[in-house]
Amino acid sequence: GAGVSQSPRYKVAKRGQDVALRCDPISGHVSLFWYQQALGQGPEFLTYFQNEAQLDKSGLPSDRFFAERPEGSVSTLKIQRTQQEDSAVYLCASSLSAGDNSPLHFGNGTRLTVT
Amino acid sequence: AQRVTQPEKLLSVFKGAPVELKCNYSYSGSPELFWYVQYSRQRLQLLLRHISRESIKGFTADLNKGETSFHLKKPFAQEEDSAMYYCALRGGSQGNLIFGKGTKLSVKP
Repeated sequence: GAGVSQSPRYKVAKRGQDVALRCDPISGHVSLFWYQQALGQGPEFLTYFQNEAQLDKSGLPSDRFFAERPEGSVSTLKIQRTQQEDSAVYLCASSLSAGDNSPLHFGNGTRLTVT
Repeated sequence: AQRVTQPEKLLSVFKGAPVELKCNYSYSGSPELFWYVQYSRQRLQLLLRHISRESIKGFTADLNKGETSFHLKKPFAQEEDSAMYYCALRGGSQGNLIFGKGTKLSVKP
């Protein structure tokens, strides 16, 4: 595709609801990252996939957050029992290869508002 | 600990004036530094990275290991440079980036 695609663009959830955020990376990109960006802050790392393997999930803030990329392409970030502090923009990024030299390409993000 | 600090939340300059967006980092090894930019209603995109030693849209940034800085500079700001600018550090082998909080650059006519 033309770039990293994320859906939905906006999501409003009532506290306690589960949400699922989707990321379609650029075709052929091996690495996929999820970031959380709170208002007025820079993006903060959540988790990283190399193909279908989740190699780093150290940034996930709690066990309510879960990410998967079962076939090494599309990824889903799931948040269970959403809380108000989960309100943020969730960014997905992909890069062509694992390692140092591939730049990250970002999606437009999903803005989650928990009421 | 790995950290990126952008001390200015907002930087406002007039068109044609020089601009410098500050970035300091904390990292024990050999870091790779980037500047990302986000224009209004657009996605975050790579502006430049230190290993390329390039100038993009008139912007340059030099890695100063002694001062652990990677300041972004442009001699003559343009109105279209108005955007959010994020400095980022990549220190590991997997490609993950650590971002600063960002500086909003506003270039006035």
